[in-house]
Amino acid sequence: GENVEQHPSTLSVQEGDSAVIKCTYSDSASNYFPWYKQELGKRPQLIIDIRSNVGEKKDQRIAVTLNKTAKHFSLHITETQPEDSAVYFCAVFSNTGNQFYFGTGTSLTVIP
Amino acid sequence: DGGITQSPKYLFRKEGQNVTLSCEQNLNHDAMYWYRQDPGQGLRLIYYSQIVNDFQKGDIAEGYSVSREKKESFPLTVTSAQKNPTAFYLCASSTIRGAGYTFGSGTRLTVV
Repeated sequence: GENVEQHPSTLSVQEGDSAVIKCTYSDSASNYFPWYKQELGKRPQLIIDIRSNVGEKKDQRIAVTLNKTAKHFSLHITETQPEDSAVYFCAVFSNTGNQFYFGTGTSLTVIP
Repeated sequence: DGGITQSPKYLFRKEGQNVTLSCEQNLNHDAMYWYRQDPGQGLRLIYYSQIVNDFQKGDIAEGYSVSREKKESFPLTVTSAQKNPTAFYLCASSTIRGAGYTFGSGTRLTVV
């Protein structure tokens, strides 16, 4: 099956700085890569996603890049704000198993 | 509320009891999933179903059971065989190809 690794597990940045979270995967048949933000005690919310036929996607302060050859994709948050503090999960949809595989999460803290 | 409803929000179970967590969706999604989340941990797949009357074990199915008698409903039973059931349980649904992936608001189960 798919193997998803996410790094770092914790990340602290100063307000206004950028944050980058990276995920690697193993199954070259995987073709959909969403990122979720989970605030304490709440459900994960989709914040951005990318498909395998695209290399980069941006939505305001959030961007995702995908390198299919190297099998990794990254979440970039620019001009971070305290409300960006949360746990972020990457996910991979594998065509092989027709299911999602999640990374272990990154706890992001933005220091005012 | 996102088209997928979990109930109850909080559930307390005595040792040796079976309890059932409800998950209902009105998104016309074929696929439904159950995840377990422990404090500070990622999402672990318990069971998933891609079609009515069919479901597959995930990574941690032992001590759990599911049914999929209707497209809209995917209840999870935590049996007495699950020795450490205290956790946050998340239900999700999507199309068969992973599009429109949506989480429920979760059920927090505590053993008393």
